[in-house]
Amino acid sequence: NAGVTQTPKFQVLKTGQSMTLQCAQDMNHEYMSWYRQDPGMGLRLIHYSVGAGITDQGEVPNGYNVSRSTTEDFPLRLLSAAPSQTSVYFCASRLQGAYNEQFFGPGTRLTVL
Amino acid sequence: AQSVTQPDIHITVSEGASLELRCNYSYGATPYLFWYVQSPGQGLQLLLKYFSGDTLVQGIKGFEAEFKRSQSSFNLRKPSVHWSDAAEYFCAVAANNAGNMLTFGGGTRLMVKP
Repeated sequence: NAGVTQTPKFQVLKTGQSMTLQCAQDMNHEYMSWYRQDPGMGLRLIHYSVGAGITDQGEVPNGYNVSRSTTEDFPLRLLSAAPSQTSVYFCASRLQGAYNEQFFGPGTRLTVL
Repeated sequence: AQSVTQPDIHITVSEGASLELRCNYSYGATPYLFWYVQSPGQGLQLLLKYFSGDTLVQGIKGFEAEFKRSQSSFNLRKPSVHWSDAAEYFCAVAANNAGNMLTFGGGTRLMVKP
């Protein structure tokens, strides 16, 4: 089991560029989510999905898009990067049910210049 | 909407000393409560969780936490800290409905003195 994998580990973008952060899990988890981590603010939920074809907004969704075409993959797209999106991004997955443990990927450190 | 407060941004303890990290939550009903740990440059790992039953829960690495409904708290404790416990600790709360959203506190960074 690879668990939750994320690519790339590091990325530098210029303002206005677009990119996709990849996330995959091999645990057959229905629920997947994206968080951003900023100093002093903990992790904030961007988007989540409860299954293939179903996505919903979290606390800070603006500037980000997601899709869930398969159970395994949950990519996060930045359409037009802004310096405010400089952050560390974590993908997580778990079984259905809010009491279940979330398994986190290693993170992607994104810098927008 | 639920929220979580971790009042201590940084804590420094000596190796072998006891530890208590504070967590206060805001939620209308009984929540699901979690403590996660993040080592430098790593993702988060679950230490323990509470969702019902005994209010004192045991976790991995010798950690425990106590749910106190009257104080809306879920403090994390360890009787004797090891140097390898230096990390950032996050308390989190999830609503016990289909909302599926997990809300994190701002984190407490633990440093351990030799």
